[in-house]
Amino acid sequence: SQTIHQWPATLVQPVGSPLSLECTVEGTSNPNLYWYRQAAGRGLQLLFYSVGIGQISSEVPQNLSASRPQDRQFILSSKKLLLSDSGFYLCARSGGSPGNTIYFGEGSWLTVV
Amino acid sequence: GNSVTQMEGPVTLSEEAFLTINCTYTATGYPSLFWYVQYPGEGLQLLLKATKADDKGSNKGFEATYRKETTSFHLEKGSVQVSDSAVYFCALSDGSNYQLIWGAGTKLIIKP
Repeated sequence: SQTIHQWPATLVQPVGSPLSLECTVEGTSNPNLYWYRQAAGRGLQLLFYSVGIGQISSEVPQNLSASRPQDRQFILSSKKLLLSDSGFYLCARSGGSPGNTIYFGEGSWLTVV
Repeated sequence: GNSVTQMEGPVTLSEEAFLTINCTYTATGYPSLFWYVQYPGEGLQLLLKATKADDKGSNKGFEATYRKETTSFHLEKGSVQVSDSAVYFCALSDGSNYQLIWGAGTKLIIKP
């Protein structure tokens, strides 16, 4: 099966602290990987996507960054969190071609206090 | 540009009622269409999809038919259960890039 592991599941961080959310994918090679954010009660916002190692496309200017050090690993980071970074972060994957179905991990709840 | 419009929620129904959640889209060419479901506190799950006109996607009693003439992909279920309470997202892919275009989501509340 093609599984997406995402951690931590929940975290509470103070304003100005760093962030690292990790995502790994099993069962597929060269997947497209994505980070989405979902603010409370709102829709999905695509933050970053990656079509290969070291290849990151940013969709929204912000204080977040993403990295893909390995084929099946995708990391979301911040050097200094803002209150507005609070939300539900979802890692997702799709196959190697445009238009492939996107599958999601279980998500990580981030509360910045 | 491409876009997806869903009916606003929340939609509140009684158990065993008939469900329709409207979704219309704007896209060039022949997009693929998707419905995802998000249960409380969880990630999104693919519910069903259709890749060409007149295709019907179905899963767990839910159905949606790709109507190119009306640019619609309405989600239906004949008899809803309390366990169907969730947020439902309609989305499209035009196949030209690696992204989906998302609707805003429709919250469904089923009362016993």
